[in-house]
Amino acid sequence: AQTVTQSQPEMSVQEAETVTLSCTYDTSESNYYLFWYKQPPSRQMILVIRQEAYKQQNATENRFSVNFQKAAKSFSLKISDSQLGDTAMYFCAFMKQDSKLTFGKGITLSVRP
Amino acid sequence: NAGVTQTPKFQVLKTGQSMTLQCAQDMNHNSMYWYRQDPGMGLRLIYYSASEGTTDKGEVPNGYNVSRLNKREFSLRLESAAPSQTSVYFCATRGRGTVSLSVQETQYFGPGTRLLVL
Repeated sequence: AQTVTQSQPEMSVQEAETVTLSCTYDTSESNYYLFWYKQPPSRQMILVIRQEAYKQQNATENRFSVNFQKAAKSFSLKISDSQLGDTAMYFCAFMKQDSKLTFGKGITLSVRP
Repeated sequence: NAGVTQTPKFQVLKTGQSMTLQCAQDMNHNSMYWYRQDPGMGLRLIYYSASEGTTDKGEVPNGYNVSRLNKREFSLRLESAAPSQTSVYFCATRGRGTVSLSVQETQYFGPGTRLLVL
C-alpha cells in the first residue's frame, strides 16, 4: 500500500518570502502521479500542481513549483513571493494508474503580513 | 459548468438516524469517489466507482453504502449514523478538465458536506 508522509504539521512564512513544504511517499509503482492540493478555510479542495512520475522536469505553475526526487521518493512544494491568500492547509497526494488518491495528513501554512 | 456538486452542505443527525449524501457531476467523468476528512487524518477514501454500475470499497467503508445511480450521480448512505461518522465528506471525480492544470487527468472535488452526529 502507498503511504504519503507530511512530517511538518504547520509552518509560518512572512508575506513575499519563499517557503517549502515537504512530502515523502512510499510506493513500489513506477508510473504514478503526485499532487499538491490547497484547502483554504472555505474547505474547497483546490489543485495547486501536478507531477507525472515519468517526467524528469519539475512542474511549475506561476509562483508554485515542485522539487521531485523520484529515487528519494520526495515531492516538496515551493511557494515563492508568498501572499496572504496562500494561507491554507496543503495536502500532498499520490495517485496510482488505477486512480485512487492517497493523501498525507496535511500541513497548515500561515502567511504573516 | 457546475463541476462537482454536493448536497446538503451541512447536516445534523441524531445517533441511529439515516441519511443520504448526494453528489452529481457534469464533467462526463467515469470515476467518482467519496472521501471523509477528519482533523489530523487528511482525506481517507470511503468508496469509489470506476464506472457506472460498479462500486468498490476504499480504506474506511464500514458504516456506509453507496449507489452509482448513473454516470452523473454517486450517493453515499449512512444507514444508522454514529458519532464517529461526524466528519466532512467530499465527493470527487477523476478525468480531464478544461483549463490550465486540468487538461490532464486528475481528481476534482466538490465543496464538501459537513456532517455532525449527536
